[in-house]
Amino acid sequence: RKEVEQDPGPFNVPEGATVAFNCTYSNSASQSFFWYRQDCRKEPKLLMSVYSSGNEDGRFTAQLNRASQYISLLIRDSKLSDSATYLCVVTPMDSSYKLIFGSGTRLLVRP
Amino acid sequence: ETGVTQSPTHLIKTRGQQVTLRCSSQSGHNTVSWYQQALGQGPQFIFQYYREEENGRGNFPPRFSGLQFPNYSSELNVNALELDDSALYLCASTSKEGNREQYFGPGTRLTVT
Repeated sequence: RKEVEQDPGPFNVPEGATVAFNCTYSNSASQSFFWYRQDCRKEPKLLMSVYSSGNEDGRFTAQLNRASQYISLLIRDSKLSDSATYLCVVTPMDSSYKLIFGSGTRLLVRP
Repeated sequence: ETGVTQSPTHLIKTRGQQVTLRCSSQSGHNTVSWYQQALGQGPQFIFQYYREEENGRGNFPPRFSGLQFPNYSSELNVNALELDDSALYLCASTSKEGNREQYFGPGTRLTVT
């Protein structure tokens, strides 16, 4: 079983739609949680950290459910520029800062 | 831009050769991690360096090795290249005393023929 699992998609949605991605992680001792965005053939870019209380950044809302080991990302009012791969990331509770990535969920926003 | 730089951008090597990839971390960041990203996959952790010492290693063989220098820049060395080593190699920097957010460089795309 993979440590971080995501639906690969693609999610194909019209501009203005609301879309949600989910992610599950296997290690209950995971410490930190993030969503990264990766455009084709580019490096991952930090989209947002995910906190237990949930957090929002403009059109993006992230939620963490530690009991279910589940992380979500909601994108409202999708833009064409949101088309990318969204990577769910967790870090273990150890001294290293290694990031454990899911394989990503691909989003295509159409006009 | 993150301020993390990597060189070279692209590289083509032959099976059995050795390669060195370089990374300069963002100003103020003292920890560098290296990741390998195969096509269609998420990045896989190779190892991390903090204060010039390895501080965690993923499931990669010893032919993957690294260094960190006093200015926090880093190198990734891969010996005896195999075809499966073809991937995007990413480095990420963070501050050990910070919030664990890591910022990636643009990567080096390695092709092994």
